[in-house]
Amino acid sequence: DIVMTQSPDSLAVSLGERATISCKSSQSVLKSSNNKNYLAWYQQKPGQPPKLFIYWASTRGFGVPDRFSGSGSGTDFTLTISSLQAEDVAVYYCQQYYSAPPTFGQGTRLEIK
Amino acid sequence: QVQLVESGGGVVQPGGSLRLSCAASGFIFSNYGIHWVRQAPGKGPEWVTFIQYDGSNKYYADSVKGRFTISRDNSKNTVYLQMNSLRGDDTAVYYCAKDPNSGGTFEYLQYWGQGTLVTVPS
Repeated sequence: DIVMTQSPDSLAVSLGERATISCKSSQSVLKSSNNKNYLAWYQQKPGQPPKLFIYWASTRGFGVPDRFSGSGSGTDFTLTISSLQAEDVAVYYCQQYYSAPPTFGQGTRLEIK
Repeated sequence: QVQLVESGGGVVQPGGSLRLSCAASGFIFSNYGIHWVRQAPGKGPEWVTFIQYDGSNKYYADSVKGRFTISRDNSKNTVYLQMNSLRGDDTAVYYCAKDPNSGGTFEYLQYWGQGTLVTVPS
């Protein structure tokens, strides 16, 4: 199984500042046949299901604000929030769908400093 | 709009069985694969199983292989998760999620239901 490791486990950032979450996979999730990274990011708020935020490593999901961006390739990925808003407080998970079983990172809890 | 509604959760004794349902609407159900993902209290999501759009291809996590069975009825826009030989570490909220791929393989979890809680006292 591909192991997904996020860092940090928790992060406190001031409103309006940049937040950066890292995700590393134990093997590459870049498929050479289509040059796509099989990596997604989800946001989860308390009492709610996870919500798709980023897929193909850098494509924003429907309705996701453009302050959110995903980058990276191969085994190293980043989720960046350019200017933190209060409503961004949540837990963020990366997930690979390159191979079965799909696997998630352990999550990063984002809070306001 | 896409809606996924899970049902069938509850409290079941170790060794018991439960069948979850996921009723879908807002999209052409028979064209898309569906996943089940679970989340134990205070933990991250764990993928459980996937069924292809026509039911011909299924994948399972090792932790549930041989105990859980996924199936679908495209005439009822519903996916089922039959869970047998339940144990304490199966306690979780179980979500169904729509895959965006209309082919035979899985991709990401595009839309999620609100989940149904399964509790197996240990």
